[in-house]
Amino acid sequence: GENVEQHPSTLSVQEGDSAVIKCTYSDSASNYFPWYKQELGKRPQLIIDIRSNVGEKKDQRIAVTLNKTAKHFSLHITETQPEDSAVYFCAAEFSGTYKYIFGTGTRLKVLA
Amino acid sequence: SAVISQKPSRDICQRGTSLTIQCQVDSQVTMMFWYRQQPGQSLTLIATANQGSEATYESGFVIDKFPISRPNLTFSTLTVSNMSPEDSSIYLCSVATGVYEQYFGPGTRLTVT
Repeated sequence: GENVEQHPSTLSVQEGDSAVIKCTYSDSASNYFPWYKQELGKRPQLIIDIRSNVGEKKDQRIAVTLNKTAKHFSLHITETQPEDSAVYFCAAEFSGTYKYIFGTGTRLKVLA
Repeated sequence: SAVISQKPSRDICQRGTSLTIQCQVDSQVTMMFWYRQQPGQSLTLIATANQGSEATYESGFVIDKFPISRPNLTFSTLTVSNMSPEDSSIYLCSVATGVYEQYFGPGTRLTVT
């Protein structure tokens, strides 16, 4: 079946450093790739997304890149801060159905 | 984005009973979904709640166990039936307000004893 792999499962960085989380997907018909941040006990929050006709998108300290040929997409967080500590989930929209398949999540810890 | 609420926020239930979770949105939305998030895990789609027709279930989820209603474009319910401890989880609704973007409700934390 369709699948989204996410790496790493945990990531610790020093405050001010950059963090990169990578995902690969299997459905070549996926058109939309969102990223969610989930703090402990809270709902997942959409932080950035990218559509298949774009290679990169930036929003302040976060950016997402997409390589459709390789079926890879990545989240980049620069100048990390302690409040960036959370679990991050990537997702891929499934074949034009508007349904998402989620990655397994990355627990990011930013050390002060 | 839409304002999404869920009731109840949490509950502790006896095995063999059923719980109905409500999801309310403050504006009409095209699509509504129900997800399950087991402790420390990712999100798994249970079903798409279709307005005016039967929900579309994902593999591994059946209507008898998780009946869903969506009477209008702002409201949906998910029932977890004949509960067992394995059903202990967080249940979240999400709504699609645009073409693809989905936003999540606050979730319902269910514990089955």
